[in-house]
Amino acid sequence: GAGVSQSPSNKVTEKGKDVELRCDPISGHTALYWYRQSLGQGLEFLIYFQGNSAPDKSGLPSDRFSAERTGGSVSTLTIQRTQQEDSAVYLCASSLGTNTRLTEAFFGQGTRLTVV
Amino acid sequence: SQQGEEDPQALSIQEGENATMNCSYKTSINNLQWYRQNSGRGLVHLILIRSNEREKHSGRLRVTLDTSKKSSSLLITASRAADTASYFCATDWRSEGGGNKLTFGTGTQLKVEL
Repeated sequence: GAGVSQSPSNKVTEKGKDVELRCDPISGHTALYWYRQSLGQGLEFLIYFQGNSAPDKSGLPSDRFSAERTGGSVSTLTIQRTQQEDSAVYLCASSLGTNTRLTEAFFGQGTRLTVV
Repeated sequence: SQQGEEDPQALSIQEGENATMNCSYKTSINNLQWYRQNSGRGLVHLILIRSNEREKHSGRLRVTLDTSKKSSSLLITASRAADTASYFCATDWRSEGGGNKLTFGTGTQLKVEL
């Protein structure tokens, strides 16, 4: 596709269940980011993939959160044993970034996660 | 944290007026970017200014960057109701781990009234 695609758009899950969020970046973009945004708040950095380098996981809030990027393309963000405080919009973005310069980021429409 | 602080948090103006938003950050940057967000979903890139640039224009947008003060401003001239949105600054900077990051400020909610 032409843009960053995220699925699902909305996800309602019961507390304690695991969820998997998917991001399909723009073809050829080497940099991929995950952010979390709570209602009315700014974007909280979660994790960053750049090419074949080790991902920067410094923003993951707990060990319940993990992310993978397979083949340098599609990424999945997994949240295990979800808690109500995990409810937020999860945004994925990709860019043509290199190791020294990050260009403009293109965002998906996000996944709104609600933990009940 | 490199996360930027934006000021004001909320801004309400009349159509036709200019809107100015400010962003401050903490460490040296490669570039600074401004984004717009409607309805709490995906962000749209507006403009990028490199660390060696001081001012940049794009249509009704004017961005300034003062690296000595670690601050930037976004000016929207002749605002329209359609400019109502949240605006975020984002900094591209080299983290302690050696990689580059793009981190976002807290955002300014702009409301343009008819």
